[in-house]
Amino acid sequence: GENVEQHPSTLSVQEGDSAVIKCTYSDSASNYFPWYKQELGKGPQLIIDIRSNVGEKKDQRIAVTLNKTAKHFSLHITETQPEDSAVYFCAASEVYNNDMRFGAGTRLTVKP
Amino acid sequence: DTEVTQTPKHLVMGMTNKKSLKCEQHMGHRAMYWYKQKAKKPPELMFVYSYEKLSINESVPSRFSPECPNSSLLNLHLHALQPEDSALYLCASSQTSGGTGELFFGEGSRLTVL
Repeated sequence: GENVEQHPSTLSVQEGDSAVIKCTYSDSASNYFPWYKQELGKGPQLIIDIRSNVGEKKDQRIAVTLNKTAKHFSLHITETQPEDSAVYFCAASEVYNNDMRFGAGTRLTVKP
Repeated sequence: DTEVTQTPKHLVMGMTNKKSLKCEQHMGHRAMYWYKQKAKKPPELMFVYSYEKLSINESVPSRFSPECPNSSLLNLHLHALQPEDSALYLCASSQTSGGTGELFFGEGSRLTVL
């Protein structure tokens, strides 16, 4: 089955700086790579996702890059704000096979 | 606001109790999931229902019993749980074709087993 590794486990940045979180996956059949943000006391919410036929996707301050050959994908947050503080999870799956696996999570703290 | 509704939000039960967690979605999704999340850990897949049929059971102990009465509802029946089963139980749903494959999560039911 799929195994997703995520680094770093914690990340602290100053407001306005950029944050980068990296993940690797093991199953070459995986073709869907979402990123979820989980705030305290809430369920995870999708913030951005990418499919394996695309190398990069951007949505305002958030971008995701994918290197299929190396089985790496990364989340980039620019101009960080205190409300970006949360736990971020990467995940990987073969789309519609209902077997999504999550990375261990990164606790991001943005200091004002 | 989440479109996946879970009840109850909090549940405290003894090891001999029988209780149920409930999940409801009205997005027309035909795949529904139970995940278990311990503190400071990622969600772990427990069960997946696809078109109301159990399609994935991640070797979960039989003291957890899922049920999918219809395409909108998902239950998790709990019996003879152990203190280590205390966790946040997350329900999710997704499309089975079209769309992106995104999982929509509920807010979770926080379970404490005494």
